[in-house]
Amino acid sequence: NAGVTQTPKFRVLKTGQSMTLLCAQDMNHEYMYWYRQDPGMGLRLIHYSVGEGTTAKGEVPDGYNVSRLKKQNFLLGLESAAPSQTSVYFCASSYLSAYEQFFGPGTRLTVL
Amino acid sequence: QQQVKQSPQSLIVQKGGIPIINCAYENTAFDYFPWYQQFPGKGPALLIAIRPDVSEKKEGRFTISFNKSAKQFSLHIMDSQPGDSATYFCAVNNAGNMLTFGGGTRLMVKP
Repeated sequence: NAGVTQTPKFRVLKTGQSMTLLCAQDMNHEYMYWYRQDPGMGLRLIHYSVGEGTTAKGEVPDGYNVSRLKKQNFLLGLESAAPSQTSVYFCASSYLSAYEQFFGPGTRLTVL
Repeated sequence: QQQVKQSPQSLIVQKGGIPIINCAYENTAFDYFPWYQQFPGKGPALLIAIRPDVSEKKEGRFTISFNKSAKQFSLHIMDSQPGDSATYFCAVNNAGNMLTFGGGTRLMVKP
């Protein structure tokens, strides 16, 4: 039982490049979330999903897209990376209620 | 949009001390009120959560106090240990089943 896994762990991009971050969970959770964590700003919700095939915008969605084609996977895409997107990205999942979320180990992204 | 204010930003206590971290929210919130703990290089993990119809919840050395009318809740760590050194986040559950997190408190417990 791996819980929530994220791929890759680290990535360096140049401005304008695109990439996809993969999140996978093996707990059969309905809800999945993508956050970014910046110093002093806590965790900010980018996008989330309440079930397979559904997505919704969070607090800071601009510059990101997501897809949830399979229940166990939630993909976060950066269409044209900008230095302001340098951050640590966390994926999380929950079964029924948002208060009990299980987080992945994070992806550290640097955009030059 | 929900606003969650957490204080202090950082805290240093001696081993055995009782650090207290405060959280205040502005808009209507739902369900449980959680605190998360995060160690360096790791993802956050749920530490303790309180139901909205009780004023206190205790689990081991960790206690949440909740004041619904004031829209405030706090985390107390009894007999703090160096292993409790971490960043702590409060969170509030909004309509739509999503959390808004506070800015975090970096706690250091000195031996």
